[in-house]
Amino acid sequence: DTGVSQDPRHKITKRGQNVTFRCDPISEHNRLYWYRQTLGQGPEFLTYFQNEAQLEKSRLLSDRFSAERPKGSFSTLEIQRTEQGDSAMYLCASSLESYGQEFVPDTQYFGPGTRLTVL
Amino acid sequence: AQTVTQSQPEMSVQEAETVTLSCTYDTSESNYYLFWYKQPPSRQMILVIRQEAYKQQNATENRFSVNFQKAAKSFSLKISDSQLGDTAMYFCAFGANYGGSQGNLIFGKGTKLSVKP
Repeated sequence: DTGVSQDPRHKITKRGQNVTFRCDPISEHNRLYWYRQTLGQGPEFLTYFQNEAQLEKSRLLSDRFSAERPKGSFSTLEIQRTEQGDSAMYLCASSLESYGQEFVPDTQYFGPGTRLTVL
Repeated sequence: AQTVTQSQPEMSVQEAETVTLSCTYDTSESNYYLFWYKQPPSRQMILVIRQEAYKQQNATENRFSVNFQKAAKSFSLKISDSQLGDTAMYFCAFGANYGGSQGNLIFGKGTKLSVKP
């Protein structure tokens, strides 16, 4: 198990272009989260998936943002018509949601992030 | 809405000494999780320690321990015998407990810790 991976690690684009990021979670994890982190700030939640279902979206996720997790495995985050304000580190995390009689809290494991720079 | 506040933007400590990072939070939930994450200069977030709100005993992981004061909504991190590798940004995070699931995490703004030789 190599942990959560993200691709690309860095992306430079011009304003108005579309970009897509990929996240590969830890293989047995059924939950996948996307966060955005700007310089000097903590990560801010964007959206998360339980298997292939997108369960929650932050108001930070404007109409230009879309995320998918086909087949409940890897996930993509697309930003259309990028703006300079989209420049940030985009972090992916995964966790294992356990069901059963025993209470098992899950922990989120983070990937290295994709740094987006919009010129 | 839940909020997490880290009032120390930067701290420094001498190698081998002890340092405490502060975190306070605000929530109306009674059952939740609290975390400290470390983000070294390479910027991958690493879990340092976690605490379930229903547990009264403070969590400990080797040189890292927390002081969890539920009534005061305080969750501080103590690092003993500081090492150069502890130099990083430290984020306090809150996760509500929805039937065993933490949902998304709410992070503080972080504390930049520098360990000096």
